[in-house]
Amino acid sequence: SQQGEEDPQALSIQEGENATMNCSYKTSINNLQWYRQNSGRGLVHLILIRSNEREKHSGRLRVTLDTSKKSSSLLITASRAADTASYFCATDVGNFNKFYFGSGTKLNVKP
Amino acid sequence: NAGVTQTPKFRVLKTGQSMTLLCAQDMNHEYMYWYRQDPGMGLRLIHYSVGEGTTAKGEVPDGYNVSRLKKQNFLLGLESAAPSQTSVYFCASAGGNSYEQYFGPGTRLTVT
Repeated sequence: SQQGEEDPQALSIQEGENATMNCSYKTSINNLQWYRQNSGRGLVHLILIRSNEREKHSGRLRVTLDTSKKSSSLLITASRAADTASYFCATDVGNFNKFYFGSGTKLNVKP
Repeated sequence: NAGVTQTPKFRVLKTGQSMTLLCAQDMNHEYMYWYRQDPGMGLRLIHYSVGEGTTAKGEVPDGYNVSRLKKQNFLLGLESAAPSQTSVYFCASAGGNSYEQYFGPGTRLTVT
């Protein structure tokens, strides 16, 4: 499988703390995306990082990409209870906007 | 804009029955996708389409067929449902110069 793999599978933190989750993948990519899924809902796009980028920011989100290690990390700073969700990385390995999703990290932010 | 909608939201089938899931998008997107999500497995791509009249296989296409007769619609068919197809099915679309995929709310299918 070309899926990315997120680590850890589950993460529980207190509100205000930072949350870091990692994604590793197997083959060269064009870009990598992170998505959030609230329980019982569809996925929502968070951020995209291209293979020639090393770091990207969006609000409280910081994404890094290390193509030599085939890994990416998503950092959520100053977490809130509303950040409780599952987070998935998705890798684009070819044409046609075809992506492979990992199995996700389940984040629980305790108020 | 409704974005991406899916019909139905829930369905229970008996083994061997057939059904069609409908996905519709109003964003004029070229690309459309069908995924299934099983506990602990993330999303797996079933079939996708790069434009009206085209379809292609994803990671787990067996047991499913698709059609994209209109740009805004992408249909997923199960000809003879099996318990292994019990899952949550998500449709997504993407277009223009953006790789961002927009997801529908999902269809929860149970096959008994």
